[in-house]
Amino acid sequence: GAVVSQHPSWVICKSGTSVKIECRSLDFQATTMFWYRQFPKQSLMLMATSNEGSKATYEQGVEKDKFLINHASLTLSTLTVTSAHPEDSSFYICSSGTGYNEQFFGPGTRLTVL
Amino acid sequence: QKEVEQDPGPLSVPEGAIVSLNCTYSNSAFQYFMWYRQYSRKGPELLMYTYSSGNKEDGRFTAQVDKSSKYISLFIRDSQPSDSATYLCAMSGGGNNRLAFGKGNQVVVIP
Repeated sequence: GAVVSQHPSWVICKSGTSVKIECRSLDFQATTMFWYRQFPKQSLMLMATSNEGSKATYEQGVEKDKFLINHASLTLSTLTVTSAHPEDSSFYICSSGTGYNEQFFGPGTRLTVL
Repeated sequence: QKEVEQDPGPLSVPEGAIVSLNCTYSNSAFQYFMWYRQYSRKGPELLMYTYSSGNKEDGRFTAQVDKSSKYISLFIRDSQPSDSATYLCAMSGGGNNRLAFGKGNQVVVIP
């Protein structure tokens, strides 16, 4: 299957700082990437759909100004959590696919905001 | 009613037993059905991918889709301790590739 990487795998930051998470498709070009968050023992919640060269589409209830998404190339999408607070602590996972509805997930980024 | 229902109750089985997992769904537009395996603190890993109704087998894993009943299943034969993980069903269709997920089943295979 396709390979998706994420960086960093974990990050700890102080409240009020911004954190950038990178998602890369390593062996295919991804016009669309998805960003999810997952709380402990919960399923994945779609936050936004990232489209190469255009604005991201956010799910209802997700603040656009807080979770900035940039998809500047066919292999890279970034999610920036701005002015992070402890309630933003979660597991953030990106995914992408090869166009046949299969989606391949990155290994996830664990964010802890102190 | 949620789009995808999956009983999240933990499931413990002895090594070698058959694990049976299932999901139901309400959106008749779904055509693509997936099972993901997620180990603790890791991203989900695509295990099985099925288009429309039918069965698909891959080694010890069998996925079944019954679109008439809006019901999908995953069977794991000869379960191993390494199969201990959370299994999530997911599906998509209807003109977009957004995935709708079940809550996930935590499976523990006891040696």
